[in-house]
Amino acid sequence: GDSVTQMEGPVTLSEEAFLTINCTYTATGYPSLFWYVQYPGEGLQLLLKATKADDKGSNKGFEATYRKETTSFHLEKGSVQVSDSAVYFCALAFSGGYNKLIFGAGTRLAVHP
Amino acid sequence: DAGVIQSPRHEVTEMGQEVTLRCKPISGHDYLFWYRQTMMRGLELLIYFNNNVPIDDSGMPEDRFSAKMPNASFSTLKIQPSEPRDSAVYFCASYRSGGGNTIYFGEGSWLTVV
Repeated sequence: GDSVTQMEGPVTLSEEAFLTINCTYTATGYPSLFWYVQYPGEGLQLLLKATKADDKGSNKGFEATYRKETTSFHLEKGSVQVSDSAVYFCALAFSGGYNKLIFGAGTRLAVHP
Repeated sequence: DAGVIQSPRHEVTEMGQEVTLRCKPISGHDYLFWYRQTMMRGLELLIYFNNNVPIDDSGMPEDRFSAKMPNASFSTLKIQPSEPRDSAVYFCASYRSGGGNTIYFGEGSWLTVV
């Protein structure tokens, strides 16, 4: 079945470090891919998305590129801040009338000053 | 837009009591989802509705759980009777078909059953 696999956390970084959170997917067809972020005590917020191969989603300094050949959608940021500390979820969904997000397990990021 | 609105934000209840969680989706959205988040199982889709009709409830854990959507602007998730293992964060989310595949989440209802 369709699934998303994320690197296990927690990921602990110092401020201004480079961030990569790996995400790979298994899907029959060509899904849209998403990164959601959950800050402590809050719900999930869409961070970025890409709807087709080679698309790059970007927001708030984060970016991820839809790689069909490696079925990946890795999240990157060049210089993290303490305020980026959160749980990051990779997800996929298929377009059309039926839409169900399939989430990865989430990766907790802790950024220290 | 006000976003997806959930209530209550926090609830502590005793085992055996009935719990009702409420959700108001974003106006114009035709899909509504209920998710549960726990440390052990992560995010699980419990049920989703399209145009107020339940489409897939295969994620509902057992008969103690039920969900309704009487109209386009309101849904409930009920647990009766509640058990300690139901303690979790319950998220409601909504989506507009043709709206770019973005699902919007509420802030969650944090349930503790003691």
